[in-house]
Amino acid sequence: DVKVTQSSRYLVKRTGEKVFLECVQDMDHENMFWYRQDPGLGLRLIYFSYDVKMKEKGDIPEGYSVSREKKERFSLILESASTNQTSMYLCASSLLSGGDFSYEQYFGPGTRLTVT
Amino acid sequence: AQKVTQAQTEISVVEKEDVTLDCVYETRDTTYYLFWYKQPPSGELVFLIRRNSFDEQNEISGRYSWNFQKSTSSFNFTITASQVVDSAVYFCALRKTGNQFYFGTGTSLTVIP
Repeated sequence: DVKVTQSSRYLVKRTGEKVFLECVQDMDHENMFWYRQDPGLGLRLIYFSYDVKMKEKGDIPEGYSVSREKKERFSLILESASTNQTSMYLCASSLLSGGDFSYEQYFGPGTRLTVT
Repeated sequence: AQKVTQAQTEISVVEKEDVTLDCVYETRDTTYYLFWYKQPPSGELVFLIRRNSFDEQNEISGRYSWNFQKSTSSFNFTITASQVVDSAVYFCALRKTGNQFYFGTGTSLTVIP
């Protein structure tokens, strides 16, 4: 079974703090993704990575950065947390899609971050 | 522009009723992929089905069925004889060229015993 794990289920941070959210997958997937999920807005892509040290911006990258030093690990960094970054953060991974086939994403359990 | 629309925000049905969750997508690509995911109260999204744009066959898996219609850009999901365990948020997603997925805003389904 594919396993995507996230470092914390719940996190409370103060405004201005630097926050690290870690995601690890154990199935040698090339692609990894970070989303935030907010009521009424669904899942919005923050960043994704298709290889080690490679990253691409998603729809809402402002205020976030990412790091992928190893294939299995993808970190989301909030450089200076703000209250509007209070959200559920979901990590996902998938095999690299190509040709006429697209692999599904596997999701972690999520990290509920509260910034006060 | 919204690429995936799930117009039903919340649906409640009584157990054993059938329910259809709507999904309308928008793309100009000729090759694309559609997905449905289930997010139970525990929070982890679970993959249900994938469909590519060249395969318009409907799919049935137990009580679940999916109706893909390119003419109306829709990929609807029907649960037959709903059960309490079907209560969850359901997301429709689109992948075009590239590796980015576009998710709808989700439909929260409550099955009342």
